Amino acid sequence: QVQLQESGPGLVKPSGTLSLTCSVSGYSISRGYYWAWIRQPPGKGLEWIGMILQNGNTFYNAPLKSRFTISMDTSKNQFSLNVNSVTATDTAVYYCARVGDGPQWGAFDMWGQGTTVTVSS
Amino acid sequence: QSVLTQPPSVSGAPGQRVVISCTGSSSNIGSGYDVHWYQQLPGTAPKLLMFGSSNRPSGVPDRFSGSKSGTSASLAITGLQAEDEADYYCQSYDSSLTGYVFGTGTKVAVL
Repeated sequence: QVQLQESGPGLVKPSGTLSLTCSVSGYSISRGYYWAWIRQPPGKGLEWIGMILQNGNTFYNAPLKSRFTISMDTSKNQFSLNVNSVTATDTAVYYCARVGDGPQWGAFDMWGQGTTVTVSS
Repeated sequence: QSVLTQPPSVSGAPGQRVVISCTGSSSNIGSGYDVHWYQQLPGTAPKLLMFGSSNRPSGVPDRFSGSKSGTSASLAITGLQAEDEADYYCQSYDSSLTGYVFGTGTKVAVL
């Protein structure tokens, strides 16, 4: 059974860097699938941030591309999100998710429980 | 930048049928890209509820059904139950934005 678990600091200072990690169990991320990050500001909707493939190829939500970086460590079966120059607008619950394949292509079929990040001094 | 528009809220009495619309454009739903739906119970992560417009993952009750036509999609819940109170989001791919997009979200209330 595939499980995803986010981890990272709950509080980040403005202009700092946010680093989050998604640990995957029950499936080797080097075998396939796209692995994504999605966020949800307090009281608001979902926003796709970007995703990474097992070969390291990445795709980003264009408005976010300049500050967001997704990477992968297959030896640890983890993928990560780095956000530079954070501001209060980056305050959100951050989810990692798997992008489905086959009939579920393009759907986020597995999700982590989410981790809350607050940007504040 | 939500390019998929949903009604902010819908409500119904237990046992009734409610429908949530998801209106897109020619660069997403209208281009034939699949529409997927998620249910987000309070304080929890979203859960895939419907994929490929009208397919339910294993374990999702058949009270939930989906359809797509033109530049819109819809999710119907028949026999509404108290446990269906949640936020629902549609999602697709947008070729102009070259990325995945979510709907604005709809809160379903059971009266």
